Amino acid sequence: SQQGEEDPQALSIQEGENATMNCSYKTSINNLQWYRQNSGRGLVHLILIRSNEREKHSGRLRVTLDTSKKSSSLLITASRAADTASYFCATDARVNDYKLSFGAGTTVTVRA
Amino acid sequence: ETGVTQSPTHLIKTRGQQVTLRCSSQSGHNTVSWYQQALGQGPQFIFQYYREEENGRGNFPPRFSGLQFPNYSSELNVNALELDDSALYLCASSLPGLAEETQYFGPGTRLLVL
Repeated sequence: SQQGEEDPQALSIQEGENATMNCSYKTSINNLQWYRQNSGRGLVHLILIRSNEREKHSGRLRVTLDTSKKSSSLLITASRAADTASYFCATDARVNDYKLSFGAGTTVTVRA
Repeated sequence: ETGVTQSPTHLIKTRGQQVTLRCSSQSGHNTVSWYQQALGQGPQFIFQYYREEENGRGNFPPRFSGLQFPNYSSELNVNALELDDSALYLCASSLPGLAEETQYFGPGTRLLVL
């Protein structure tokens, strides 16, 4: 079963704007990761945040983690057309023997 | 590019047939995981192989089976194909002992069952 759920399902923004998507999960986790997928191809790892971390940055990406609310957010700043993709959160947890469990994803469209 | 390759890229089979999908992991990675991704959904974990042994399995029936070879390449076999098996099949490799951390995905094999 899928541990994470992303919100919104789809997002359309203008180039240069920020994009924010959220992920909620059900059980205590070890790590939470975000991946990007272009047009039904392979997934690309973006960032990993551990359960004892609250915020992490990588380039134009900012990830937050609130373990009390069992939620995470991914912010993409100054979006570009190349950011058009589906974004997935993935958690690993003891309940799933630390194997990755993905949400259904948020589809982001960046308009030029 | 991650260095993980999969073959074939696309495949069409009929219900009841058997299929074998192949994956070559990134150099130095001895852990391979397989995922099924239905249209509009996130990847679902099928199973993982570490040093040629199955190391965890998701909620998939026994007709989904796998192998890992001494060079760490891997195969996913699906017997008695059903229409619902139509999906993108992804493999991902990772460093030893860090399978729950960064995974490096191949481009996937898109399977259509008619």
